[in-house]
Amino acid sequence: KAGVTQTPRYLIKTRGQQVTLSCSPISGHRSVSWYQQTPGQGLQFLFEYFSETQRNKGNFPGRFSGRQFSNSRSEMNVSTLELGDSALYLCASSPQGGGTSTDTQYFGPGTRLTVL
Amino acid sequence: SQKIEQNSEALNIQEGKTATLTCNYTNYSPAYLQWYRQDPGRGPVFLLLIRENEKEKRKERLKVTFDTTLKQSLFHITASQPADSATYLCALEGGYNKLIFGAGTRLAVHP
Repeated sequence: KAGVTQTPRYLIKTRGQQVTLSCSPISGHRSVSWYQQTPGQGLQFLFEYFSETQRNKGNFPGRFSGRQFSNSRSEMNVSTLELGDSALYLCASSPQGGGTSTDTQYFGPGTRLTVL
Repeated sequence: SQKIEQNSEALNIQEGKTATLTCNYTNYSPAYLQWYRQDPGRGPVFLLLIRENEKEKRKERLKVTFDTTLKQSLFHITASQPADSATYLCALEGGYNKLIFGAGTRLAVHP
C-alpha cells in the first residue's frame, strides 16, 4: 500500500502570498490531520478532517484553513503568509474515525515551506 | 493547559547499551499514550501505543511503561544500534485524531 503523499515537497513564498498544500492519505483511510513543525514550537496540531468535516482544530489563526474531498484527499491553505509560517507541514492519516480518541497516525514526508 | 515534557538534552549512549527516554505530562489524564520516531527531514513514524490500564508494552527491542499515578512514560531501547539514532517523540491523545506532542528527545547511539 502506498504511504501518505504530500505535494509539493518544498515551497518558497514571499510574505503576503498565499499557499495551498496537498495531502493524499493511505488508501482506505478517512481521517486526515495536519501538523506544523518548527524548531521552536515542535509539532503542533492544526486541524483534523473526517468524511469531509472538520472535527478538531488547534490554536492557529484563521489564516490557516483546510478542507477534505470525498476521496479523503485534503488540502490546507495559508493566506497572507508571515515569516513565522516557515515550517515543515505534516499530514497524517488514520484508518478509523478515532471517535473521541486518537488512532495511530501515519505521517507523510511533509512540505517544507519557506517564507521570505 | 496540557503540558508534555521530554528530556530536552540529547541522549548519547554506546552501542549495545539500553537507552531510556522519559515523558512526563501534567494537567491531563490520557486514555493512552503513543511513541513515535522521527528522522531528519522525514515525518514521524509510529512505534508503540500503551493504554492507561496497561503497565508495560513490548515490541522487539522496544519497551514502554506507563505510570498514570506519576504521570510518566518511559521508553526503552535494549541492545541499541547506531541505526536507532533519531528523535523520539511522546504524544498524548487529544480527541478526534489530535495528537499533542512533546518536544522530543534526540538519541545518538555511538559504535
